[in-house]
Amino acid sequence: NAGVTQTPKFQVLKTGQSMTLQCAQDMNHEYMSWYRQDPGMGLRLIHYSVGAGITDQGEVPNGYNVSRSTTEDFPLRLLSAAPSQTSVYFCASSPRVTGYGYTFGSGTRLTVV
Amino acid sequence: TQLLEQSPQFLSIQEGENLTVYCNSSSVFSSLQWYRQEPGEGPVLLVTVVTGGEVKKLKRLTFQFGDARKDSSLHITAAQPGDTGLYLCARTGNQFYFGTGTSLTVIP
Repeated sequence: NAGVTQTPKFQVLKTGQSMTLQCAQDMNHEYMSWYRQDPGMGLRLIHYSVGAGITDQGEVPNGYNVSRSTTEDFPLRLLSAAPSQTSVYFCASSPRVTGYGYTFGSGTRLTVV
Repeated sequence: TQLLEQSPQFLSIQEGENLTVYCNSSSVFSSLQWYRQEPGEGPVLLVTVVTGGEVKKLKRLTFQFGDARKDSSLHITAAQPGDTGLYLCARTGNQFYFGTGTSLTVIP
């Protein structure tokens, strides 16, 4: 099993550009989520999904969009990149909403200049 | 909103020493998980604790869930360089909330 695959691993954007961070899992997990990790801030939840066609906002959703058209894929879209979105982004999945731990991807390091 | 506080934020110890890190909240957890994250990687689940007062052991790591289910601790006995990493607690539920983490360095 590949687990949770995130692409790209590194990305540099200019302010105002848009891009999509890809996340795919091959474990048939219902629950998927996106986090950003900043020094001293821990992992902060951006958006999450409890199943295909269902998404909801986390702690820090502004500037980001998500969709969940299939069980496997959960892309994160930055609409107009800002320097404040410079961070490491992690995608995670879990078999169900509760009762299980997360499997994380290896992250995408994004720099907005 | 930061719901989970972890302490200490940084810890640097010599190989063979013991240590304890803490995770505290003002509200009750339904369950809590501990993760370890190594540089350049995503966090990896270590344990889930569910019952107040529960103690779980994973080799040299001992996890305890407070009786009131508002706090948890992780104790490492005879730390080794391989224990180096960022230790994160997480409050489970529809939205997983993570603490800020404890960055542990074990010096050989």
